[in-house]
Amino acid sequence: GAVVSQHPSWVICKSGTSVKIECRSLDFQATTMFWYRQFPKQSLMLMATSNEGSKATYEQGVEKDKFLINHASLTLSTLTVTSAHPEDSSFYICSARITRVSYNEQFFGPGTRLTVL
Amino acid sequence: SQQGEEDPQALSIQEGENATMNCSYKTSINNLQWYRQNSGRGLVHLILIRSNEREKHSGRLRVTLDTSKKSSSLLITASRAADTASYFCATVPLSGGYNKLIFGAGTRLAVHP
Repeated sequence: GAVVSQHPSWVICKSGTSVKIECRSLDFQATTMFWYRQFPKQSLMLMATSNEGSKATYEQGVEKDKFLINHASLTLSTLTVTSAHPEDSSFYICSARITRVSYNEQFFGPGTRLTVL
Repeated sequence: SQQGEEDPQALSIQEGENATMNCSYKTSINNLQWYRQNSGRGLVHLILIRSNEREKHSGRLRVTLDTSKKSSSLLITASRAADTASYFCATVPLSGGYNKLIFGAGTRLAVHP
C-alpha cells in the first residue's frame, strides 16, 4: 500500500513552453501533497505544500506564478512549470501524506526529470 | 538554510563492512526520518524515530537520536552492493503543524563487491 505515482517520468521541452506533471496517490487519500525539487547530487528542496481544495503554500523564493499547483482531488495534485527555461531543468519529486497519520510520514513518487532545451 | 547537514558526504566501503552516516539538524523536532534514494529515483522511507526515542532497529538498520546534540546516526550493518544509494535524513520540526520535512544534504554510499 501507500503507492504514489508520477507522470511523466521524464520530459524534454523547448524553452518557453509549459509542462504539467501529475502526482497521484494510488491506494490512499492524501489531503496534503508536497512538491520537491532536486538538482544533481543535491538534497531535496521543498517547493510547496499542496492541500486538497485550497491554494498551495509556497516556500520562500519559489515563484507561485511560475510553478502552478492544483490539488483538485484527494488523489491528484499537478505541478505546471510555466514558460520553462533551461534553469528549470531539474528532478521534480512529489510526495503524499496519509491523512490520518499525525507524524508526517510521506510517501514519495518516483520523480520526473525535466530537461528544458 | 533550514537544511541539516550530513556527514560524510560520500562513503565508500567493501561488502560486509558497516556503514555509519551522521545527521545534524537545527530546530526542535517531532521526529526524524531516514530515506534512501537510488540514483535518479524517488525516495524510499527506511525508518522513523520519534523525539522521545533514543534508538531504533529495523533489520540491518540501526538509528540513534540525540536530541540534546540535535544529531542522529544511521548504521547499516553487513553492507551489500545493493545498499549503494544516497541516504537522507529528514526532520519534522515542532513548529509548522508537522507538515514539513526538512531534508539533510545526504550521504552517497558506495558498497563495492
